[in-house]
Amino acid sequence: AQSVAQPEDQVNVAEGNPLTVKCTYSVSGNPYLFWYVQYPNRGLQFLLKYITGDNLVKGSYGFEAEFNKSQTSFHLKKPSALVSDSALYFCAVSPPTSGTYKYIFGTGTRLKVLA
Amino acid sequence: ETGVTQSPTHLIKTRGQQVTLRCSSQSGHNTVSWYQQALGQGPQFIFQYYREEENGRGNFPPRFSGLQFPNYSSELNVNALELDDSALYLCASSLDGPDTQYFGPGTRLTVL
Repeated sequence: AQSVAQPEDQVNVAEGNPLTVKCTYSVSGNPYLFWYVQYPNRGLQFLLKYITGDNLVKGSYGFEAEFNKSQTSFHLKKPSALVSDSALYFCAVSPPTSGTYKYIFGTGTRLKVLA
Repeated sequence: ETGVTQSPTHLIKTRGQQVTLRCSSQSGHNTVSWYQQALGQGPQFIFQYYREEENGRGNFPPRFSGLQFPNYSSELNVNALELDDSALYLCASSLDGPDTQYFGPGTRLTVL
């Protein structure tokens, strides 16, 4: 079965330190990969995506993600965390199918940036 | 450019009732996807509409149905509501193919 794993329910990091939020996936073929952020009582806000090309993808608000095909991972990173980055982060995968471009989401990782 | 909007924001229903949720897609987008996000979980794909036709469905029973209109807005209908249907329902719009999906703020449905 196709799945996305976010192994950490919560990540705590001090403000100014680098952060990493992990994501691995089990999907055959070459899926499209996404990161979204969700603030309380809000919908999902797009951060970045990987379709093809350079393994390091840059996105909004200083976030970037590293794609590793051999490890089937797509970890979200930021060089210097801000308190305002505290939120719920979701990794999503869109399997390469003909027709339906649905997303399969991980269970989310809560990021807490401590002042 | 107008983003994705959803109505209502909150809804309380009782078991067995029916509900209709609405979504207006982002300008220029012809594809709408619906997701259910239970508390503490990631969103689960319900179905997708492309140019008024259903274009894929997740593992949800037939009492979950939808429509897409000529202006690409969409409805999600749920019949015979169950307690487990309590969740945040998210609508996302996109252009053709594997384009990025842009999400609305969601409708929080509570079934008592």
